[in-house]
Amino acid sequence: DTAVSQTPKYLVTQMGNDKSIKCEQNLGHDTMYWYKQDSKKFLKIMFSYNNKELIINETVPNRFSPKSPDKAHLNLHINSLELGDSAVYFCASSQDVAGGPRETQYFGPGTRLLVL
Amino acid sequence: DQQVKQNSPSLSVQEGRISILNCDYTNSMFDYFLWYKKYPAEGPTFLISISSIKDKNEDGRFTVFLNKSAKHLSLHIVPSQPGDSAVYFCAARTTSGTYKYIFGTGTRLKVLA
Repeated sequence: DTAVSQTPKYLVTQMGNDKSIKCEQNLGHDTMYWYKQDSKKFLKIMFSYNNKELIINETVPNRFSPKSPDKAHLNLHINSLELGDSAVYFCASSQDVAGGPRETQYFGPGTRLLVL
Repeated sequence: DQQVKQNSPSLSVQEGRISILNCDYTNSMFDYFLWYKKYPAEGPTFLISISSIKDKNEDGRFTVFLNKSAKHLSLHIVPSQPGDSAVYFCAARTTSGTYKYIFGTGTRLKVLA
């Protein structure tokens, strides 16, 4: 009955590979997010989708491509992985977008990506 | 450019005492502030929030204070309990374009039994 789940929890891969991280929420929320927490512990938003539509796209290399097949899922595909992509990636969801009455974001447990 | 700063990476407090976690921000246009709590190997969980039109919000043992003139907010936990040991993130909401949260780097709180 996990609210926001991510797979895999850990991902170790070589530079240059392509990998995907999956996220699912069972809260019935309309908005989903990807955040990156780097080695300096900054937690930064990367993307946000509302009703499957991309509404936030921060300055992220275009090697990162999110995909929302439906409102309950937001996947993150990363091409040509680089050492600097090593980080913890958190998925989150909320009923409304930030600024809405039900904007509280619920986070998944994170995916720890290590690029060697 | 770090718009939300938590300058204390860690804090230790005795059980039963008050824990005070601090957060500073640079953008006077932020209109809503939040605290999230994070345990190891888990995602952050929402703790408490405050609108910029208020200066205090209380929820049980947790109180958030906002000083807009100083661009400073703090989270008070009274009394502190060992289960409060976690990393606490401060976040602020932007008001330009599509709203989003800007997070600080977190403060690790250790409550000693």
